[in-house]
Amino acid sequence: EVQLVESGGDLVQPGGSLRLSCAASGFTFSSYGMSWVRQAPGKGLEWVAAISNSGGTTDYADSVKGRFTISRDNSKNMLHLQMNSLRAEDTAVYYCAKFADNYPVSPLQHWGQGTLVTVSS
Amino acid sequence: EIVMTQSPATLSVSPGERATLSCRASRSVTYNLAWYQQKPGQAPRLLIYGASTRATGIPARFSGSGSGTEFTLTISSLQSDDFAVYYCQQYNSWPPLTFGGGTKVEIK
Repeated sequence: EVQLVESGGDLVQPGGSLRLSCAASGFTFSSYGMSWVRQAPGKGLEWVAAISNSGGTTDYADSVKGRFTISRDNSKNMLHLQMNSLRAEDTAVYYCAKFADNYPVSPLQHWGQGTLVTVSS
Repeated sequence: EIVMTQSPATLSVSPGERATLSCRASRSVTYNLAWYQQKPGQAPRLLIYGASTRATGIPARFSGSGSGTEFTLTISSLQSDDFAVYYCQQYNSWPPLTFGGGTKVEIK
């Protein structure tokens, strides 16, 4: 069974930094692209970043480009999101998600339960 | 960026009735369109991909259709477990991956 478990969400001040992690199990992690998707309170889904299976290709939403960095450690089955220069508008539940086969032309097949990031003074 | 537009924003349906949700893309995404279901406090769940293929474990009452820029998700006979928010998402041309704004299916 595929499991994705996020951690690292917290209350942080504007301008601060946070690192989210996602522990993956139940599949061959190094074979699949991964992504972060966020959802602000009461709002819809917003794609944040994605990374290829090898980590060689990364993509970002314009809203986070230059501030967030997605990375992965295939030896530990871990996905990370380093978030710097945080703003109030980054407040959201952050979901880790696994692409299905045929990345990048692939839906997000499995999702974690999310971790809450609150940016406030 | 491909903009995804869903309608209606809210759909009021009685249990046992049929629900039809629409999704429009600002330019063609061919068949690379997915539908997700999200219940309160839960993560999204993949329902449909490739515009019309049900994901593993998804009941047959859920069906998807369309191609290019116009897509439909149909729930043939709504059950109590189906009241939720539904999102469409294109994965044909990205970044960015883009989602529609969602359709909330509520009990009439």
